[in-house]
Amino acid sequence: NAGVMQNPRHLVRRRGQEARLRCSPMKGHSHVYWYRQLPEEGLKFMVYLQKENIIDESGMPKERFSAEFPKEGPSILRIQQVVRGDSAAYFCASSPWDLTEAFFGQGTRLTVV
Amino acid sequence: AQSVTQPDIHITVSEGASLELRCNYSYGATPYLFWYVQSPGQGLQLLLKYFSGDTLVQGIKGFEAEFKRSQSSFNLRKPSVHWSDAAEYFCAVGLSGGYNKLIFGAGTRLAVHP
Repeated sequence: NAGVMQNPRHLVRRRGQEARLRCSPMKGHSHVYWYRQLPEEGLKFMVYLQKENIIDESGMPKERFSAEFPKEGPSILRIQQVVRGDSAAYFCASSPWDLTEAFFGQGTRLTVV
Repeated sequence: AQSVTQPDIHITVSEGASLELRCNYSYGATPYLFWYVQSPGQGLQLLLKYFSGDTLVQGIKGFEAEFKRSQSSFNLRKPSVHWSDAAEYFCAVGLSGGYNKLIFGAGTRLAVHP
């Protein structure tokens, strides 16, 4: 059973471009979470999704950021018009139906130049 | 507001020495508590978790943690550290509400001297 898969592992974007980060949850998991880790900081919750539904987006910046988890395919975190302050590691986690544990992916490290 | 404090940013220990990493939380209800480890450039691996019951929790890699409600603490311990334990350690609180919305501390970076 493969773990949570995130790609790309590293992403470089110029200011003003779009960044798309993908997350495939563990097999059988229908709950996905996105977290952001700024340099020298802990992880900060961004959004919680179930298939085709955003359950809690209280940690998402109000502009430029969006997330989806379609019926088929991976969850996508999309950042439009990236700025230098978006440079961070973005982690995805998934959990099974009973929500007992979140399993984390290896993260996508976004660098905005 | 809910928060997690890890007072020690960096800790250095000698291989074979004992280890204690501190974690204090602020949360109104009974918390779900977690310790994760992150190796450089890697994701997070769960070491152990506390939901209820016995306040001394055993985890993987020889780690344990003790939940002390009176002190709002959930300190991580290991009796004898190995060089491979060098990593960053995060304490987290899981909020009630039925899903894994975790509040993380800022982390403690552990260095191990041979």
